[in-house]
Amino acid sequence: QSALTQPASVSGSPGQSITISCTGTSSDVGGYKYVSWYQQHPGKAPKLMIYEVSNRPSGVSNRFSGSKSGNAASLTISGLQAEDEADYYCSSYTSSSTVIFGGGTKLTVL
Amino acid sequence: EVQLVESGGGLVQPGGSLRLSCAASGFTFSTSDMNWVRQAPGKGLEWVSYISSRGNGIYYADSVKGRFTISRDNAKNSLYLQMNSLRAEDTAIYYCARDFGYSYGTFDYWGQGSLLTVSS
Repeated sequence: QSALTQPASVSGSPGQSITISCTGTSSDVGGYKYVSWYQQHPGKAPKLMIYEVSNRPSGVSNRFSGSKSGNAASLTISGLQAEDEADYYCSSYTSSSTVIFGGGTKLTVL
Repeated sequence: EVQLVESGGGLVQPGGSLRLSCAASGFTFSTSDMNWVRQAPGKGLEWVSYISSRGNGIYYADSVKGRFTISRDNAKNSLYLQMNSLRAEDTAIYYCARDFGYSYGTFDYWGQGSLLTVSS
């Protein structure tokens, strides 16, 4: 099973908003609410930012939001801050009872 | 405080074997489903395997099926990954990760990772 499709990179200036897309199929993203987003800074473990498409774990800033339409999910970060610069990964539960990740998106804060 | 600490990584020759361990603390390990996720150097995340809280539900990625075995010891609060027939493409940082409640495929806590290098 191929990875979910994410743009390799996105960028934005402080204070702006950016959106990262994540495209899958009806067997993963389109078929389940179990879409998550993770933030990973260099040399660190991933951190859960969004789960079940649009829910934020306790402690995650409300500048992070998620949505889904059909086979595609999106992560939006508003009010960009320097510390948001990181790699972002989407993931989805699949019809095979496995988990598939996206290829990752490098966010650069200009 | 939830802690997951992986150990057991190292350098192994192609075709060799190694067992990774993950020591859990700060939560009720025996009621938590667990996973292994890996990341090749400079690459993205790849889910490897899942085990249910009691160990009666197990799944693997196709890339490791038949070569890797996930297991757990709830009495020792420990998760394991036995890796056999290792290949160069198995070189990666291996993270253990806790399942987030009833949200399938959601990982709320991750260890710091253990590096496996497969090379001659």
